[in-house]
Parts: sequence; C-alpha cells; structure tokens
Amino acid sequence: NAGVMQNPRHLVRRRGQEARLRCSPMKGHSHVYWYRQLPEEGLKFMVYLQKENIIDESGMPKERFSAEFPKEGPSILRIQQVVRGDSAAYFCASSPTSATYNEQFFGPGTRLTVL
Amino acid sequence: DAKTTQPNSMESNEEEPVHLPCNHSTISGTDYIHWYRQLPSQGPEYVIHGLTSNVNNRMASLAIAEDRKSSTLILHRATLRDAAVYYCILRDLNDYKLSFGAGTTVTVRA
Repeated sequence: NAGVMQNPRHLVRRRGQEARLRCSPMKGHSHVYWYRQLPEEGLKFMVYLQKENIIDESGMPKERFSAEFPKEGPSILRIQQVVRGDSAAYFCASSPTSATYNEQFFGPGTRLTVL
Repeated sequence: DAKTTQPNSMESNEEEPVHLPCNHSTISGTDYIHWYRQLPSQGPEYVIHGLTSNVNNRMASLAIAEDRKSSTLILHRATLRDAAVYYCILRDLNDYKLSFGAGTTVTVRA
C-alpha cells in the first residue's frame, strides 16, 4: 500500500532550464494537489487536478508553470526557464475525492534548487 | 488566506501531554477544523479533523469549544518524533484545498 510518491526527491537546475516534477498518487486516488513551500515560508496551494482535467490553477504563476495529470501515468508539474526564485520544496498530495472530510496524503516532496 | 491563529512555538517534555491551541473566531457553520503536521524535511501529515464534537484517534485528540471559535489539539504523551510544525486549518464543505498558516513549532525535550 504505497503512499504518494514523488520524484526526483532533489533536483538541481541552472537558470533557464526546465524542471519536471513527478507525482504518483496513492492507489485509487484520482485527485491530485500541488503545493509549494518557499524557504522560510508556509505551504501554498498551486493547482488541483483530476484525471485529465485541471480543476483549479489559481495558485500557480501564470507564466512558465504548467501541470497535467494524464489518464495514464503520474501527474507532472513543469517549470520552464527556471529562475532562482523557483527554488523551493514542491509537495504533491492526493485524495480519493475532493470532499472536505477526506484527508490529503502528501508525498515527501521534491526540493528544487536553481543555480 | 488562513483564518486561524496559533502560537508560534511550544515546548514540551517527552512523555508529557501537549495542548496546542487554535483560535478561529470567524469560523462558519460549514467549516471543518483540520490539523496537519510537518516533520522536518518531510511532507505534511494528516493528524485529525472535526466539525463540532470532540474527536479521538490513535495520534491525538481534538477538543472543540462549544461555540467553535477555538479548538485544542492534544498529544497525550509527546515523543521526540512529535517534534514538528502543527497546522490548524479550516476547510469549508466546498473547499478542496488546504490553506496553511505559519503553524506552531513544537519542540520536545528528552
């Protein structure tokens, strides 16, 4: 009964490169959420996806960031042309439904460092 | 967007209870009270949640004031592994996202 898996756990990119962060939700979970934790700051919601659909991307920067959750395979958070300010821990969570009473299960995070 | 107020930090001795307060004076009738914690270098972890009645599970207890304007997370016997940031979060019935505040940093002394 594997939990939420994220890879890579650590990612180093140079300014201008692309970063791809992967998230495999728990088995049976079709709802995925991405959060970002900037250094010395709290966790902030970025985007909520269901299979093949983006439900809410209100927390995601309008440029350079995109997310997908295809029918098959993991959810991907993609950051194009990374800048130093993108350095943060990115956490993915999943739940069986979006209901308030459902807990969200978090992965261990991907720590992105932009040089 | 956090609608809760928590102390910045609390200290406890190992094997003693820890009471973590949370004020949420603007809570609405459809807001659930959720608690998550984040251990160092890990993702957040669900602890407990409730609506009106007190709740118990294997990790903790949640005591909710009668007027629901405040709640207290109770760790019955703190261990070193309980050292973490604890977040009190309100979630409306239609709110699928978690809005984290600064939380309370709990330190457990051996």
